[in-house]
Amino acid sequence: AQKVTQAQTEISVVEKEDVTLDCVYETRDTTYYLFWYKQPPSGELVFLIRRNSFDEQNEISGRYSWNFQKSTSSFNFTITASQVVDSAVYFCALSEALNDYKLSFGAGTTVTVRA
Amino acid sequence: DAMVIQNPRYQVTQFGKPVTLSCSQTLNHNVMYWYQQKSSQAPKLLFHYYDKDFNNEADTPDNFQSRRPNTSFCFLDIRSPGLGDAAMYLCATSDGTLRANVLTFGAGSRLTVL
Repeated sequence: AQKVTQAQTEISVVEKEDVTLDCVYETRDTTYYLFWYKQPPSGELVFLIRRNSFDEQNEISGRYSWNFQKSTSSFNFTITASQVVDSAVYFCALSEALNDYKLSFGAGTTVTVRA
Repeated sequence: DAMVIQNPRYQVTQFGKPVTLSCSQTLNHNVMYWYQQKSSQAPKLLFHYYDKDFNNEADTPDNFQSRRPNTSFCFLDIRSPGLGDAAMYLCATSDGTLRANVLTFGAGSRLTVL
């Protein structure tokens, strides 16, 4: 069963538009962690954020913000005022105590920002 | 400043010809992972080392093997590559003393099988 669902396959926007990436997860665990990684065309996965299941405080970091809602099992990610350099594949991932904290990735959302 | 280095970045092999991909790290992390990522798909964990302890995923084919001669290096051996093994292979490391710690990835090795 898919533990992490990223329903959006591709998103294309014009520079300066906001982009919100959806992530829905499934777990029986009470202790778990959620991540977002970015994979630019160069191929290297870059860590963006980690949240644990006990911390629902939303976070803003520069142009990035995250909305974690346990009630809906969602961990959405927003890029404000997008730039061409934001073009990449974004992966949401889940790490559960029951699965020895191994990462389960979603299928990824490809974001294309056009100038 | 590259911390996880994979070589080669691009590898072309023939059907059935063994291939070895390498990964080295300067982070002194005790955990090293190998992921397979096929086109437009999520990375899939093949196996990982916790120090010298090898942990294979249940669905990883026997065709895939790994070696970790020391803390800094880890190798992925594909004994008889098939067309279905064409993919990006990603190496990652983490500090295993911290649970659910962040993984640091290399840039990947893209394997083409002719």
